[in-house]
Order: sequence, then structure tokens, then C-alpha cells
Amino acid sequence: NAGVTQTPKFQVLKTGQSMTLQCAQDMNHEYMSWYRQDPGMGLRLIHYSVGAGITDQGEVPNGYNVSRSTTEDFPLRLLSAAPSQTSVYFCASRKGEKLFFGSGTQLSVL
Amino acid sequence: QKEVEQDPGPLSVPEGAIVSLNCTYSNSAFQYFMWYRQYSRKGPELLMYTYSSGNKEDGRFTAQVDKSSKYISLFIRDSQPSDSATYLCAMRMSAGTASKLTFGTGTRLQVTL
Repeated sequence: NAGVTQTPKFQVLKTGQSMTLQCAQDMNHEYMSWYRQDPGMGLRLIHYSVGAGITDQGEVPNGYNVSRSTTEDFPLRLLSAAPSQTSVYFCASRKGEKLFFGSGTQLSVL
Repeated sequence: QKEVEQDPGPLSVPEGAIVSLNCTYSNSAFQYFMWYRQYSRKGPELLMYTYSSGNKEDGRFTAQVDKSSKYISLFIRDSQPSDSATYLCAMRMSAGTASKLTFGTGTRLQVTL
């Protein structure tokens, strides 16, 4: 049972580059979300989706885009990477009150 | 001021000790309270979930909520080296799907032999 799978695990970008962080879940959860985790800031919600075709902004959406074409996949796109987007990114799906997190993507923007 | 405050630690205890981890919050509308455990370089995993005030016990873990003081605690009895991790408190106002989950910054716990 894979749960929530994130790729890549590590990524280094130059300022201005774009990239997509991949997230897939095999638990048939309707709710999926993206968080970033920064020292001293805790986990902050970037975007979330309550089902295929439905997305909404979280607490810190600027500079990120998402789409949800299937129940399984919820990719996060960085349009033009900035050093302020250096962080650890977690994808999570949810059933009831329980969030299931992936193992994270460590992103550095130089 | 952050909505949820949590001492970052690190907290170092010997094996077998009772550990107390705490969070305070400012929003009295929070009703659902959770504790997540996060091992190094891993995603958080749900440890305990409680609704409103009171205690909940699961094995060596007890979660306690005091809404009058806006204070929640996680107690770990007979702590083990495998409990070494960062513990994140989290809370939300309602059970709705779109209800935002607010996390504390986490307390790093080290249990030594």
C-alpha cells in the first residue's frame, strides 16, 4: 500500500526556473493538499482540492499553481521560482480528521 | 502573535521518563485538536485526535485539552528512544472539509538511553 507518493525527493532550481512537484495517492481520497514547512513557521497550507476539478487557495498560494484532473494526482507547479520558495513541501490526502502525508520534497532555489 | 504557540525545544529526556508536550492557542473557536509525530526527513503522521475538552488515552500516549485555558498537552509515558521525533500540535474550528488546519511549529524530542 503506497499511500501518498511525492517526487522528486530533492530539487535544486535557479531563480526564475519553473518546475512541477508530483503527488499521487492510491487511497481514493477526495481531499488533497499541499503544505510547505519552514523553520519557525510550522506547516502552512498552499492549495487544496476537495475533488477532481475543484481547487482552492490556502494560506500561502502566491507563486504556486495546482490542478486536479484525477482523484489520484495533485501536482504543484512553481511558475517562476524565487529564493523565498526554498522549503520542504508536503503533499497530503485526508480521510475524516486524518491527514496522510507524503515523505516530502526538499526544494532549494538559488 | 501566532494563533498556535509551541515551544520548539529540543527537549531531552532519559529513557523511561514521562514527557509532557504542550501547545497554547488564542482562537477560542478551535474545537478539534490533533497531535502529529514527524520523524526526521519524513512526513508527519497522526498520533492522537480529540474533540473539545477532556482526555484521550492510547497506549503510552494521553492527549489532554483544556479549552478554558486554551491549552493542550500530549503526555508520553515510559518514553522510548523510538519516540525521538518532532511533535506537532494542530487544530481546526469545524469538521468541514474546507476547515483550515492550523499547525504549531513543533517540539523536537530526544529520548536518550
